[in-house]
Amino acid sequence: DTGVSQDPRHKITKRGQNVTFRCDPISEHNRLYWYRQTLGQGPEFLTYFQNEAQLEKSRLLSDRFSAERPKGSFSTLEIQRTEQGDSAMYLCASSLDQGIYGYTFGSGTRLTVV
Amino acid sequence: GNSVTQMEGPVTLSEEAFLTINCTYTATGYPSLFWYVQYPGEGLQLLLKATKADDKGSNKGFEATYRKETTSFHLEKGSVQVSDSAVYFCALSVQEGAQKLVFGQGTRLTINP
Repeated sequence: DTGVSQDPRHKITKRGQNVTFRCDPISEHNRLYWYRQTLGQGPEFLTYFQNEAQLEKSRLLSDRFSAERPKGSFSTLEIQRTEQGDSAMYLCASSLDQGIYGYTFGSGTRLTVV
Repeated sequence: GNSVTQMEGPVTLSEEAFLTINCTYTATGYPSLFWYVQYPGEGLQLLLKATKADDKGSNKGFEATYRKETTSFHLEKGSVQVSDSAVYFCALSVQEGAQKLVFGQGTRLTINP
């Protein structure tokens, strides 16, 4: 297993366009998380899946954001009508049930909205 | 609510110096505590963790002790190397619900040879 994979690594898009990111977690991990990290800040929680169920969403996740995890495997995060404020690193992480012991993070997708 | 406050950076040290990065937390429950490290161009890596009071997490020469009485989890290393240059994040996770991580703002560490 090669860990948590995220694709693409970098994405540059024009304001108003839609973008979609993909995350492939560690195969036996049932929990999957999305975080957003802006420059000079720590990551902030966006949303969480247990298997295919999206169980919690942050207030940061406006209605332009949607996340899915079909069949409890990979996940996608879509941002519609991107704004410059969406520019950030989007991090995916996965863990087994006991998330209190720490997650495994992917390398992230860096989004730049121009 | 839950929050983490880290020593502000950047921190610049010479090789073989002693390192301390302070971290304090506020939590409504009984959290687990973590230090994550982010090397340039890479994702976050778990450096060490502690899940209950007085536990000491350790890895790669780094140590941190879970101090419930002072709500702290300071990161220490006795002799830093150039390869330790990175951004260090203190974080907590509570046991309920999503068990999501709450991060501090990060401390950039630069080690000069």
